[in-house]
Amino acid sequence: AQSVAQPEDQVNVAEGNPLTVKCTYSVSGNPYLFWYVQYPNRGLQFLLKYITGDNLVKGSYGFEAEFNKSQTSFHLKKPSALVSDSALYFCAVRVLSSGSARQLTFGSGTQLTVLP
Amino acid sequence: DGGITQSPKYLFRKEGQNVTLSCEQNLNHDAMYWYRQDPGQGLRLIYYSQIVNDFQKGDIAEGYSVSREKKESFPLTVTSAQKNPTAFYLCASMAGDQPQHFGDGTRLSIL
Repeated sequence: AQSVAQPEDQVNVAEGNPLTVKCTYSVSGNPYLFWYVQYPNRGLQFLLKYITGDNLVKGSYGFEAEFNKSQTSFHLKKPSALVSDSALYFCAVRVLSSGSARQLTFGSGTQLTVLP
Repeated sequence: DGGITQSPKYLFRKEGQNVTLSCEQNLNHDAMYWYRQDPGQGLRLIYYSQIVNDFQKGDIAEGYSVSREKKESFPLTVTSAQKNPTAFYLCASMAGDQPQHFGDGTRLSIL
């Protein structure tokens, strides 16, 4: 079974400061990791993914994430937060090349609020 | 532009009534998914389909039904057996190992 934990329901950060949204995962096999963002009453928008290769992945809107295999983590980061980054963020995982239905397992979400 | 269209955006259900949520995609994706989103619980998989005329139950399929008669369409029926249907429902599609694309959801409430 695969699982994802987002230990923080809420993260507050001042505009211009760096932000981190935490994610840890558990899978049997090589993980395929994602970050999505959701604005109110909208669907999820893809931010970035990790399959293999460089542990630092760069994505949309200046976001990046660092894959750490030993800590089974995939934290989302941004060097300088914007008020417009305020949204709900989801981490998701599936097993790469599982041959199954390519199901994603989502974390419970972290509400990011960037304060002006 | 290609994408996923969910309709209606808001839906109300009376007691004992079945309702159907529409999901249409023009991305030519083989796989389609239905998720339920409740506050603080993330997304939970209801049903998924990898090819036309085939679908499988997800983690919370009880009280729901689906069909996949066309590649583009994957409607979800919330039956009267679903006792707590109030939620935000999201449809997604995917091709190969690419990220899932999501529609903008349908919010279902009980009258």
